[in-house]
Amino acid sequence: EPEVTQTPSHQVTQMGQEVILRCVPISNHLYFYWYRQILGQKVEFLVSFYNNEISEKSEIFDDQFSVERPDGSNFTLKIRSTKLEDSAMYFCASSLPPGGQYQETQYFGPGTRLLVL
Amino acid sequence: DAKTTQPPSMDCAEGRAANLPCNHSTISGNEYVYWYRQIHSQGPQYIIHGLKNNETNEMASLIITEDRKSSTLILPHATLRDTAVYYCIARTTGNQFYFGTGTSLTVIP
Repeated sequence: EPEVTQTPSHQVTQMGQEVILRCVPISNHLYFYWYRQILGQKVEFLVSFYNNEISEKSEIFDDQFSVERPDGSNFTLKIRSTKLEDSAMYFCASSLPPGGQYQETQYFGPGTRLLVL
Repeated sequence: DAKTTQPPSMDCAEGRAANLPCNHSTISGNEYVYWYRQIHSQGPQYIIHGLKNNETNEMASLIITEDRKSSTLILPHATLRDTAVYYCIARTTGNQFYFGTGTSLTVIP
């Protein structure tokens, strides 16, 4: 069964450093998402991406964050200058585009645990 | 998207059916009810979704009341591996998923 994969599984970085989290969505999916979950808290939406542009973003997704689809398979989340409060699990998800009942189910990857020291 | 209300925790004996309720009294006609679960800190796992009719797949059944104000996720024969946090989400087409605090289900041997 196809699945979303994410690398690395764990990332430790120093405050102020840039990090790039990588995701490989399910191959025929066209919508991509990033969510995060701070330890002990809810899963929170960050951004959705379609047709090489951001389609929706939350208040959390400020200028420190950016997303990119650098090639036909990868989808990345960059945090330019990490802060302590960026420590969280980051989940990538993908889905087919809207157009039918089963088109929009989002499938999540296993996550990247980011620790900012 | 409509707000959903779930009990914070539930227990279920292994091998028995687990019935997880969800209230979504303000749901609108075009909002689907989705269920996901999260085992420990893994990525949320899709279980099932529906609009009006009851749905069943290899993982679970979803029973939606006729007025659509509540639903129940049924795991027919719970196993220890079903211990997880279960999220009920009411979602309009095109929107992101809003995860609440869910129901923490513990399957007891």
